[in-house]
Amino acid sequence: AQKITQTQPGMFVQEKEAVTLDCTYDTSDQSYGLFWYKQPSSGEMIFLIYQGSYDEQNATEGRYSLNFQKARKSANLVISASQLGDSAMYFCAMREGLAYSGAGSYQLTFGKGTKLSVIP
Amino acid sequence: DGGITQSPKYLFRKEGQNVTLSCEQNLNHDAMYWYRQDPGQGLRLIYYSQIVNDFQKGDIAEGYSVSREKKESFPLTVTSAQKNPTAFYLCASTGRFQSTDTQYFGPGTRLTVL
Repeated sequence: AQKITQTQPGMFVQEKEAVTLDCTYDTSDQSYGLFWYKQPSSGEMIFLIYQGSYDEQNATEGRYSLNFQKARKSANLVISASQLGDSAMYFCAMREGLAYSGAGSYQLTFGKGTKLSVIP
Repeated sequence: DGGITQSPKYLFRKEGQNVTLSCEQNLNHDAMYWYRQDPGQGLRLIYYSQIVNDFQKGDIAEGYSVSREKKESFPLTVTSAQKNPTAFYLCASTGRFQSTDTQYFGPGTRLTVL
Protein backbone atom coordinates (compact mmCIF):
# COMPACT_ATOMS: atom_id res chain seq x y z
CA ALA A 1 0.00 0.00 0.00
CA GLN A 2 1.19 3.49 -0.75
CA LYS A 3 2.19 5.44 2.30
CA ILE A 4 1.53 8.83 0.72
CA THR A 5 -1.31 9.32 -1.75
CA GLN A 6 -1.87 12.44 -3.78
CA THR A 7 -4.99 11.83 -5.84
CA GLN A 8 -4.88 14.98 -7.99
CA PRO A 9 -2.35 14.62 -10.81
CA GLY A 10 -3.15 18.15 -12.00
CA MET A 11 -5.04 21.16 -10.69
CA PHE A 12 -5.96 24.54 -12.13
CA VAL A 13 -6.67 27.64 -10.10
CA GLN A 14 -7.46 31.21 -11.02
CA GLU A 15 -4.95 33.80 -9.91
CA LYS A 16 -5.80 35.28 -6.48
CA GLU A 17 -8.07 32.34 -5.62
CA ALA A 18 -7.34 29.74 -2.92
CA VAL A 19 -6.58 26.13 -3.77
CA THR A 20 -6.38 22.91 -1.75
CA LEU A 21 -4.01 20.11 -2.68
CA ASP A 22 -4.91 16.75 -1.18
CA CYS A 23 -2.62 14.35 0.66
CA THR A 24 -3.52 11.23 2.60
CA TYR A 25 -1.02 9.11 4.45
CA ASP A 26 -0.79 5.67 5.94
CA THR A 27 1.25 4.84 9.03
CA SER A 28 0.88 2.85 12.20
CA ASP A 29 3.33 5.08 14.07
CA GLN A 30 2.00 7.54 16.62
CA SER A 31 4.92 9.88 16.01
CA TYR A 32 5.47 11.17 12.50
CA GLY A 33 6.03 14.33 10.53
CA LEU A 34 4.40 15.60 7.36
CA PHE A 35 6.04 17.91 4.87
CA TRP A 36 5.06 19.77 1.73
CA TYR A 37 7.57 20.69 -0.94
CA LYS A 38 7.27 22.76 -4.10
CA GLN A 39 9.20 21.82 -7.24
CA PRO A 40 9.24 24.48 -9.98
CA SER A 41 10.33 23.60 -13.48
CA SER A 42 13.95 24.27 -12.51
CA GLY A 43 13.84 21.09 -10.45
CA GLU A 44 14.87 22.23 -7.00
CA MET A 45 12.70 21.01 -4.12
CA ILE A 46 11.63 23.93 -1.95
CA PHE A 47 10.40 23.23 1.57
CA LEU A 48 7.05 24.90 2.30
CA ILE A 49 5.54 23.68 5.55
CA TYR A 50 5.79 21.04 8.29
CA GLN A 51 3.23 19.42 10.59
CA GLY A 52 4.17 17.14 13.47
CA SER A 53 1.76 14.42 14.54
CA TYR A 54 1.51 15.88 18.03
CA ASP A 55 1.00 19.45 16.90
CA GLU A 56 -2.45 20.55 17.97
CA GLN A 57 -2.59 23.58 15.73
CA ASN A 58 -2.58 23.46 11.96
CA ALA A 59 0.73 24.72 10.61
CA THR A 60 0.82 28.01 8.72
CA GLU A 61 3.61 29.71 6.79
CA GLY A 62 2.59 32.89 5.03
CA ARG A 63 0.13 31.97 2.27
CA TYR A 64 0.53 28.27 3.00
CA SER A 65 -1.46 26.39 5.60
CA LEU A 66 -1.79 22.72 6.32
CA ASN A 67 -5.24 21.31 7.03
CA PHE A 68 -4.29 18.42 9.32
CA GLN A 69 -7.03 15.90 10.07
CA LYS A 70 -5.36 13.18 12.09
CA ALA A 71 -8.30 10.82 12.33
CA ARG A 72 -8.74 10.88 8.59
CA LYS A 73 -4.96 10.71 8.03
CA SER A 74 -5.04 13.67 5.73
CA ALA A 75 -2.68 16.62 5.47
CA ASN A 76 -3.98 18.90 2.75
CA LEU A 77 -2.04 21.96 1.65
CA VAL A 78 -4.01 25.18 1.26
CA ILE A 79 -2.53 28.00 -0.79
CA SER A 80 -4.34 31.28 -0.39
CA ALA A 81 -4.35 34.09 -2.94
CA SER A 82 -2.62 32.08 -5.67
CA GLN A 83 0.08 33.76 -7.71
CA LEU A 84 1.46 32.91 -11.13
CA GLY A 85 4.71 31.89 -9.45
CA ASP A 86 2.86 29.15 -7.58
CA SER A 87 2.65 27.10 -10.78
CA ALA A 88 4.76 24.03 -9.98
CA MET A 89 4.68 20.43 -8.81
CA TYR A 90 3.79 19.97 -5.16
CA PHE A 91 4.86 16.95 -3.15
CA CYS A 92 3.61 15.67 0.16
CA ALA A 93 6.11 13.63 2.22
CA MET A 94 6.14 11.79 5.54
CA ARG A 95 8.76 10.85 8.10
CA GLU A 96 7.69 7.95 10.28
CA GLY A 97 8.74 7.70 13.89
CA LEU A 98 10.29 10.26 16.15
CA ALA A 99 12.87 12.52 14.60
CA TYR A 100 16.44 11.51 15.36
CA SER A 101 15.31 8.31 17.07
CA GLY A 102 17.51 5.96 15.12
CA ALA A 103 18.26 4.38 11.77
CA GLY A 104 15.49 5.04 9.30
CA SER A 105 13.93 7.84 11.25
CA TYR A 106 15.47 10.35 8.90
CA GLN A 107 13.85 8.90 5.79
CA LEU A 108 11.11 10.67 3.90
CA THR A 109 8.49 8.92 1.79
CA PHE A 110 7.14 11.06 -1.03
CA GLY A 111 3.86 11.05 -2.91
CA LYS A 112 3.78 11.28 -6.70
CA GLY A 113 2.90 14.93 -6.68
CA THR A 114 0.26 17.33 -7.97
CA LYS A 115 0.93 19.71 -10.81
CA LEU A 116 -0.62 23.09 -10.04
CA SER A 117 -1.24 25.57 -12.82
CA VAL A 118 -2.26 29.12 -11.96
CA ILE A 119 -4.33 30.84 -14.64
CA PRO A 120 -4.09 34.63 -15.06
CA ASP B 1 25.20 32.09 2.06
CA GLY B 2 24.58 28.64 3.47
CA GLY B 3 23.20 26.01 1.18
CA ILE B 4 23.61 22.82 -0.79
CA THR B 5 25.40 22.71 -4.11
CA GLN B 6 25.31 19.94 -6.67
CA SER B 7 27.47 19.60 -9.71
CA PRO B 8 27.28 19.26 -12.57
CA LYS B 9 23.80 20.48 -13.42
CA TYR B 10 23.67 18.27 -16.52
CA LEU B 11 25.68 15.10 -17.06
CA PHE B 12 25.88 12.80 -20.04
CA ARG B 13 27.25 9.32 -19.76
CA LYS B 14 28.00 6.58 -22.20
CA GLU B 15 26.78 3.12 -21.38
CA GLY B 16 29.28 1.18 -19.29
CA GLN B 17 30.83 4.25 -17.68
CA ASN B 18 30.84 5.13 -14.02
CA VAL B 19 30.04 8.74 -13.16
CA THR B 20 30.21 10.65 -9.88
CA LEU B 21 27.74 13.33 -8.83
CA SER B 22 28.92 15.90 -6.35
CA CYS B 23 26.98 17.17 -3.34
CA GLU B 24 28.39 19.73 -0.91
CA GLN B 25 26.71 21.55 1.97
CA ASN B 26 27.89 24.33 4.26
CA LEU B 27 24.92 24.18 6.62
CA ASN B 28 26.83 22.13 9.21
CA HIS B 29 24.21 19.41 8.78
CA ASP B 30 24.94 15.91 10.03
CA ALA B 31 22.69 13.88 7.76
CA MET B 32 22.80 13.81 3.98
CA TYR B 33 20.69 11.98 1.42
CA TRP B 34 20.52 11.05 -2.24
CA TYR B 35 17.22 10.72 -4.08
CA ARG B 36 16.31 9.76 -7.59
CA GLN B 37 13.34 11.23 -9.45
CA ASP B 38 11.91 9.78 -12.64
CA PRO B 39 9.44 11.70 -14.86
CA GLY B 40 6.01 11.98 -13.28
CA GLN B 41 7.18 10.35 -10.08
CA GLY B 42 8.02 11.31 -6.56
CA LEU B 43 11.47 10.94 -5.03
CA ARG B 44 12.97 7.61 -4.08
CA LEU B 45 15.79 7.26 -1.57
CA ILE B 46 19.07 5.83 -2.83
CA TYR B 47 21.45 6.24 0.13
CA TYR B 48 21.66 8.29 3.27
CA SER B 49 24.33 9.10 5.81
CA GLN B 50 23.72 10.24 9.37
CA ILE B 51 27.36 10.84 10.32
CA VAL B 52 30.79 10.87 8.73
CA ASN B 53 32.12 7.47 7.65
CA ASP B 54 28.70 5.87 7.93
CA PHE B 55 25.96 5.43 5.36
CA GLN B 56 22.91 3.27 4.81
CA LYS B 57 21.15 1.89 1.76
CA GLY B 58 17.80 3.32 0.83
CA ASP B 59 15.07 1.73 -1.24
CA ILE B 60 16.92 1.67 -4.58
CA ALA B 61 20.64 1.39 -3.77
CA GLU B 62 21.53 -1.24 -6.38
CA GLY B 63 23.97 0.11 -8.95
CA TYR B 64 24.96 3.09 -6.81
CA SER B 65 27.74 3.74 -4.31
CA VAL B 66 28.52 6.60 -1.91
CA SER B 67 31.18 7.80 0.49
CA ARG B 68 31.11 10.18 3.43
CA GLU B 69 34.66 11.14 4.30
CA LYS B 70 33.80 14.71 5.26
CA LYS B 71 30.76 16.15 6.92
CA GLU B 72 30.27 18.61 4.06
CA SER B 73 30.45 16.17 1.19
CA PHE B 74 28.42 13.15 0.07
CA PRO B 75 29.29 12.13 -3.51
CA LEU B 76 27.20 9.59 -5.38
CA THR B 77 28.70 7.25 -7.97
CA VAL B 78 26.40 5.80 -10.58
CA THR B 79 28.05 2.57 -11.67
CA SER B 80 27.71 0.61 -14.88
CA ALA B 81 25.64 -1.90 -12.89
CA GLN B 82 22.78 0.59 -12.75
CA LYS B 83 20.61 -0.54 -15.65
CA ASN B 84 18.51 2.57 -16.12
CA PRO B 85 20.43 5.54 -14.72
CA THR B 86 18.78 8.32 -16.75
CA ALA B 87 17.00 10.40 -14.11
CA PHE B 88 17.09 13.55 -12.02
CA TYR B 89 19.22 13.21 -8.88
CA LEU B 90 18.65 15.32 -5.80
CA CYS B 91 20.84 15.64 -2.74
CA ALA B 92 19.45 16.78 0.61
CA SER B 93 20.66 17.41 4.13
CA THR B 94 19.25 17.90 7.59
CA GLY B 95 20.69 18.91 10.90
CA ARG B 96 20.36 17.07 14.14
CA PHE B 97 18.32 18.68 16.85
CA GLN B 98 16.66 21.24 14.67
CA SER B 99 13.16 22.12 15.79
CA THR B 100 11.99 19.97 12.90
CA ASP B 101 13.94 17.44 10.86
CA THR B 102 13.28 19.23 7.62
CA GLN B 103 15.36 18.10 4.67
CA TYR B 104 16.75 20.84 2.47
CA PHE B 105 17.57 20.10 -1.12
CA GLY B 106 20.19 21.07 -3.65
CA PRO B 107 19.36 22.13 -7.22
CA GLY B 108 19.78 18.63 -8.66
CA THR B 109 21.77 16.92 -11.41
CA ARG B 110 20.11 15.63 -14.55
CA LEU B 111 21.88 12.50 -15.78
CA THR B 112 21.35 11.20 -19.30
CA VAL B 113 22.80 7.98 -20.64
CA LEU B 114 23.61 8.16 -24.33
